[in-house]
Amino acid sequence: AQSVTQPDIHITVSEGASLELRCNYSYGATPYLFWYVQSPGQGLQLLLKYFSGDTLVQGIKGFEAEFKRSQSSFNLRKPSVHWSDAAEYFCGISSGSARQLTFGSGTQLTVLP
Amino acid sequence: DAGITQSPRYKITETGRQVTLMCHQTWSHSYMFWYRQDLGHGLRLIYYSAAADITDKGEVPDGYVVSRSKTENFPLTLESATRSQTSVYFCASSDVGGSYEQYFGPGTRLTVT
Repeated sequence: AQSVTQPDIHITVSEGASLELRCNYSYGATPYLFWYVQSPGQGLQLLLKYFSGDTLVQGIKGFEAEFKRSQSSFNLRKPSVHWSDAAEYFCGISSGSARQLTFGSGTQLTVLP
Repeated sequence: DAGITQSPRYKITETGRQVTLMCHQTWSHSYMFWYRQDLGHGLRLIYYSAAADITDKGEVPDGYVVSRSKTENFPLTLESATRSQTSVYFCASSDVGGSYEQYFGPGTRLTVT
């Protein structure tokens, strides 16, 4: 069975600082990987996705993520965080023909002024 | 309005009552999903549907019933609500093809008293 681990429940960074959110997955083959963001009281919005090819993927809002097969990781990064980035971030994995997504438990990001 | 909508957005019900959460999408996506979001668990899949009249269980289906008579609608019914079903419920949809991206509704906050 596939699984996703987000080791950091809560991360606090200062505005303008760099950010890295960790995501590790467990799956026998190369999965489809996603990062979603959830603002308070909102649904989930897709930030970026990886299917194949270039292991560094660019997303919206200045985010990027790197797929590392050897580490089973798909970490999300942003060089300079803005106050509006404060939200909860979910890493997800999909592998089956049914397109089911398995999510990690999420990382809550707080941005200090 | 185009997109994916959920109703009601907020619902309070009593233990033992039946309640139905509605999900409607205007894209004619083949796949639809129901998730519940609980603190510390991220989002967990309840049921999904690959097409009209085709549904299947996800990770946490007990106590829930779904139907999909039309492509655009995917209602979720709690046949006899319990306090453990207090949660935020998200509906999502996905199209056929290579994307695997899921589009999420705004969520329904359900409280069972």
